[in-house]
Amino acid sequence: AQRVTQPEKLLSVFKGAPVELKCNYSYSGSPELFWYVQYSRQRLQLLLRHISRESIKGFTADLNKGETSFHLKKPFAQEEDSAMYYCALRGQGAQKLVFGQGTRLTINP
Amino acid sequence: DTAVSQTPKYLVTQMGNDKSIKCEQNLGHDTMYWYKQDSKKFLKIMFSYNNKELIINETVPNRFSPKSPDKAHLNLHINSLELGDSAVYFCASSRELAGVLGTQYFGPGTRLLVL
Repeated sequence: AQRVTQPEKLLSVFKGAPVELKCNYSYSGSPELFWYVQYSRQRLQLLLRHISRESIKGFTADLNKGETSFHLKKPFAQEEDSAMYYCALRGQGAQKLVFGQGTRLTINP
Repeated sequence: DTAVSQTPKYLVTQMGNDKSIKCEQNLGHDTMYWYKQDSKKFLKIMFSYNNKELIINETVPNRFSPKSPDKAHLNLHINSLELGDSAVYFCASSRELAGVLGTQYFGPGTRLLVL
């Protein structure tokens, strides 16, 4: 079974502080992992995917197959990072995305 | 403006009614999806169509019937609406190229409230 777990429903940090949003998954094969972000009153949009290995808006995420994790990190949080963040998994050859429950990130000034 | 669009944005209706939500994408994608986001913000796949053919149907009640008249459109018709159908419904699309599945792009969502 495919499952994505985001243990923190809410996360609040101060501006300038480091941010880490946790994501753990269960999948027997080699998954594709994604982070999607939903800013207030906006549509869900892709933030980054593990195969790209890129940094978007200062965020990075490394796939750790040993720990089955794909945590999202940013060294210095900014107020505009406040949003809902979803971790998602796509199985090998699969079409659908399986989403975690989401983490609402609030950056305090 | 290239995007995934949905209509209506908001839909308020009575229990027992039948309603439709429309989705259109002009990205040239061949695969479209419907997701449901419940009150706890949990997002779950409902359906997926590839080239007008149903490929994913995730144990959704028969009252929900997707229809894809062409590759660019995937509509969702809901019969006999129930209170539990209240949610935000997101349409998405992606392209498959040489066996590689592309990024899914999401519509703005349709907020359905059943009274």
